[in-house]
Amino acid sequence: GPKVLQIPSHQIIDMGQMVTLNCDPVSNHLYFYWYKQILGQQMEFLVNFYNGKVMEKSKLFKDQFSVERPDGSYFTLKIQPTALEDSAVYFCASSLEAAGNTLYFGEGSRLIVV
Amino acid sequence: GDQVEQSPSALSLHEGTSSALRCNFTTTTRSVQWFRQNSRGSLINLFYLASGTKENGRLKSAFDSKELYSTLHIRDAQLEDSGTYFCAAGDTGGADRLTFGKGTQLIIQP
Repeated sequence: GPKVLQIPSHQIIDMGQMVTLNCDPVSNHLYFYWYKQILGQQMEFLVNFYNGKVMEKSKLFKDQFSVERPDGSYFTLKIQPTALEDSAVYFCASSLEAAGNTLYFGEGSRLIVV
Repeated sequence: GDQVEQSPSALSLHEGTSSALRCNFTTTTRSVQWFRQNSRGSLINLFYLASGTKENGRLKSAFDSKELYSTLHIRDAQLEDSGTYFCAAGDTGGADRLTFGKGTQLIIQP
């Protein structure tokens, strides 16, 4: 099936440093998403993005978070500065259209903040 | 309370048996997606439903948007079916914001 690629798969970072998580969505998809999963818990929506803009974000999407997709390259989630509670697996997803479409997820980027 | 209530939270089946997982929605839901998360953490798409039922091999899912529930039936369970199964409700708003349940941890025993 369609593949969403995420880089890196794992990263350990010192608290206060910046981290960028990269996502290569399905090639013809237009809508992009980030979800956060803390170990053993459910996935939680962070943000969705279309046409260069954030469409909707949850209260988990703190001011330290930002997303962009410069010139159709990677869709990125940047956290600056990182905090201990940012440790989680971050999943990127994409879909062809906004409504009534299957979301395809990447394999996740495991972030450990120490 | 949670928008998506998933049950059971854990389930153990012997190979060859069958069972069903369920999600109840507390608010109007446009669609439902079912996923299996394997031991590596990868999310595998199982079904997307806006209504009715779909079947794929030994799996069958149904979504009743009026009664606000969805089910996932697993027939003739195999060892590789082990994993955590999540349902996710599709938002009735614009872009497809999914609200996930807490998952059912399924263990298939020989």
